[in-house]
Amino acid sequence: QQQVKQSPQSLIVQKGGISIINCAYENTAFDYFPWYQQFPGKGPALLIAIRPDVSEKKEGRFTISFNKSAKQFSLHIMDSQPGDSATYFCAASMYSGGGADGLTFGKGTHLIIQP
Amino acid sequence: ETGVTQSPTHLIKTRGQQVTLRCSSQSGHNTVSWYQQALGQGPQFIFQYYREEENGRGNFPPRFSGLQFPNYSSELNVNALELDDSALYLCASREESTDTQYFGPGTRLTVL
Repeated sequence: QQQVKQSPQSLIVQKGGISIINCAYENTAFDYFPWYQQFPGKGPALLIAIRPDVSEKKEGRFTISFNKSAKQFSLHIMDSQPGDSATYFCAASMYSGGGADGLTFGKGTHLIIQP
Repeated sequence: ETGVTQSPTHLIKTRGQQVTLRCSSQSGHNTVSWYQQALGQGPQFIFQYYREEENGRGNFPPRFSGLQFPNYSSELNVNALELDDSALYLCASREESTDTQYFGPGTRLTVL
């Protein structure tokens, strides 16, 4: 599977600030780009996802920006709160016929929101 | 909650042993996937089952095998355990209408 590169590895943001996490992919066959949030001792939980036919998707305080030509996508968390402190993973997969294949994950970003 | 449960929560085995991990997913979710998450890393795709047949596999050796049952439960079996198999093993079931994968809380496997 092609790699998905995620940055930064760790991020500290003040409460109320904007958290930005970036990902880049290589495989142009990828057709589905989700972001997952993971708290210690828990499994990843889907936060927001995008397909390449749109350049931006917003859900509440969370926004995905997608640049197909650059093969990059990013997660923006507006008005960051201490409860957002977690590890965030970007991922990508191919939509093949009847469904998606396995997800290819980035290595994760450990986000800390300081009060 | 995602509706995906896994058992056991924690497990300790010794090198060379065999282990079976279990997952129960939601009714109607016909696809189940298993992932391995090493400490400090992102999950890595092991394989996927659709209607009880394996239909996708990541870069894992044949000693990693699985089963899916008609009652939306599944198993991950690992033979000849190695120290590097120590990880969090995640099960995910897919809601086909939205193509969304819902993860369980995982089983923490330690190989000594």
